[in-house]
Amino acid sequence: NAGVTQTPKFRVLKTGQSMTLLCAQDMNHEYMYWYRQDPGMGLRLIHYSVGEGTTAKGEVPDGYNVSRLKKQNFLLGLESAAPSQTSVYFCASRRNRGPYEQYFGPGTRLTVT
Amino acid sequence: SQQGEEDPQALSIQEGENATMNCSYKTSINNLQWYRQNSGRGLVHLILIRSNEREKHSGRLRVTLDTSKKSSSLLITASRAADTASYFCATDEAAGNKLTFGGGTRVLVKP
Repeated sequence: NAGVTQTPKFRVLKTGQSMTLLCAQDMNHEYMYWYRQDPGMGLRLIHYSVGEGTTAKGEVPDGYNVSRLKKQNFLLGLESAAPSQTSVYFCASRRNRGPYEQYFGPGTRLTVT
Repeated sequence: SQQGEEDPQALSIQEGENATMNCSYKTSINNLQWYRQNSGRGLVHLILIRSNEREKHSGRLRVTLDTSKKSSSLLITASRAADTASYFCATDEAAGNKLTFGGGTRVLVKP
């Protein structure tokens, strides 16, 4: 079991460029989440999904889009990157029934110059 | 906005001492969870306490929950250098399918 994996691990973008972050989980979890973590802070929820084909906005969704075409994958897209999107991005997943703990990926460190 | 606010923001202790950190939140919850994050890594789940529970233990961890005060505490007993990490509380609100994280407590355990 690989758990939750994220691709890529690091990325540097120029302002205005686009990219997609991939999250994959092999635990057959229904729910998946994208968070961002800024230095010295906790995690803030960007978007989440409660099942294949569904997505919902979190606390800080502006500037991001997501897709959940397959149950095991959750993609986070930045259409036009901005320096304010420089952050570490974490993906997580959990079962739709208890226990309700979330399993996290190792993170993607994104720098937008 | 963050549901959970943690106190203190940072904590430095000697190996063998106990570490206590607190979390306050604002709305009704189903459960409260504590996570640990080593530097540069993803979060790892430590313990979950349900809204109808008052205390829970797991190894050297003890968590309490006071729903009347909307607060929780995490105690790490007999700390080790390997406990050096950031610790986050997260609330699972009654109406939702998502967690809201606090700002975290950075714990440094000196050997």
